[in-house]
Formats: sequence, C-alpha cells, structure tokens
Amino acid sequence: EPEVTQTPSHQVTQMGQEVILRCVPISNHLYFYWYRQILGQKVEFLVSFYNNEISEKSEIFDDQFSVERPDGSNFTLKIRSTKLEDSAMYFCASSNSGGLQETQYFGPGTRLLVL
Amino acid sequence: AQTVTQSQPEMSVQEAETVTLSCTYDTSESDYYLFWYKQPPSRQMILVIRQEAYKQQNATENRFSVNFQKAAKSFSLKISDSQLGDAAMYFCAWKTSGSRLTFGEGTQLTVNP
Repeated sequence: EPEVTQTPSHQVTQMGQEVILRCVPISNHLYFYWYRQILGQKVEFLVSFYNNEISEKSEIFDDQFSVERPDGSNFTLKIRSTKLEDSAMYFCASSNSGGLQETQYFGPGTRLLVL
Repeated sequence: AQTVTQSQPEMSVQEAETVTLSCTYDTSESDYYLFWYKQPPSRQMILVIRQEAYKQQNATENRFSVNFQKAAKSFSLKISDSQLGDAAMYFCAWKTSGSRLTFGEGTQLTVNP
C-alpha cells in the first residue's frame, strides 16, 4: 500500500540554524500539507500546497517557514532560523482530491529538537 | 472559530471489551467531514474512520464504528473487541472545504490484558 515517507526521522539542531524537512507524498497525490505537534499538545495545521503554490496557511506559518516542491516527488519544509519553540514533531500529509471530500494521509513524522 | 474537544485525556479498557471515546465540535458550517486518527507510540498518524456530515448512517470499519449526532455536534468512536494493538492516542478531527484539519486534544487509550 502506498504511503507518505519523511526524512529524517529525527533531527537535532542548534538555535538559529536552518533545517529542511523532507517528505515524499503518495505518488498520485496532488495536495500536500505540513502539520506540527508540540510534545503533549494537539496537532496543528501549518500549510497546504497545490499546483506549486501555497493554498492555505495558518498563523503559525510565518516568514521563517517556507515550502517547496523542488522536483516531481519531494515536498520540503524549510525553517530558516530555528527557535527553541520550533521543537516539535512535524508531519507531512498528502491527498489526491483536495476540497471537502479528501482524506489526508500522514507520514511518520520528523522529530525536530532545537537546542 | 471551529473547535474540536475531546474531554477524556485518558481511557482504559480490558482486552476484548468495548470502549467509547468522546468528541464534540463546534461549527456553523452545514457540510463537513469528521475523522478519527490513531497515533501509536511510533507517533505516526493513521486514519481509523471518517464520517460525512450529511450522511445519517454511522460509519463503520471492522471493529471501529462511530456514533454521529449532528444536532448535538457529537462524534464518538466505539472500539469493539479491543486488542492490545489498539493502544494509542486517538485524535478526533474536523474538516470543511478548506485545506486544514482541526484536531482535538487527543485521548490516550490503554488496553489492559
């Protein structure tokens, strides 16, 4: 069964450094998402991406964040200058339809720790 | 603002028994989808079941079923014949025509042998 994959599974970085989290969505999916989950808290939406542009973003997704689909398979989340509060689990998700009826399928997550 | 509330931070059940996890939500939208996701210790988010708001029939997936009460804005998950592998954090989530899923706080389910 096709699945969303994410690399790395764990990332430790120093405050102020840039990190890139990578995702490979399910191959025929066209809609891509990033969510994050701070330890012990609920999962929060960051951004959605379709047709090579952001379709929706949350108030969390400020100028330090960016997303990109650099080739036909990868979908990346870049955090430009990491802060301690960026420590979280980051989930990528994808869907094939968008809109009301879609189901988003999640990857296994990247655990980011900012020191 | 749309909110999803799971009032049970923790639940436990004996193996082979039935357990119900509660979820309520608040929205002014008339059409939307509701989901239950499971997050085992590996922390991967796994879709368990989904329900479309305009369908009156409750969704079922094998041992998992929902009790959807639209007027009460309630969407509970029933797990029958609980198995050790069902132990996980369960998140209720809501979605309308936009992109984002809105999640509840989660319920940690323990299955006792």
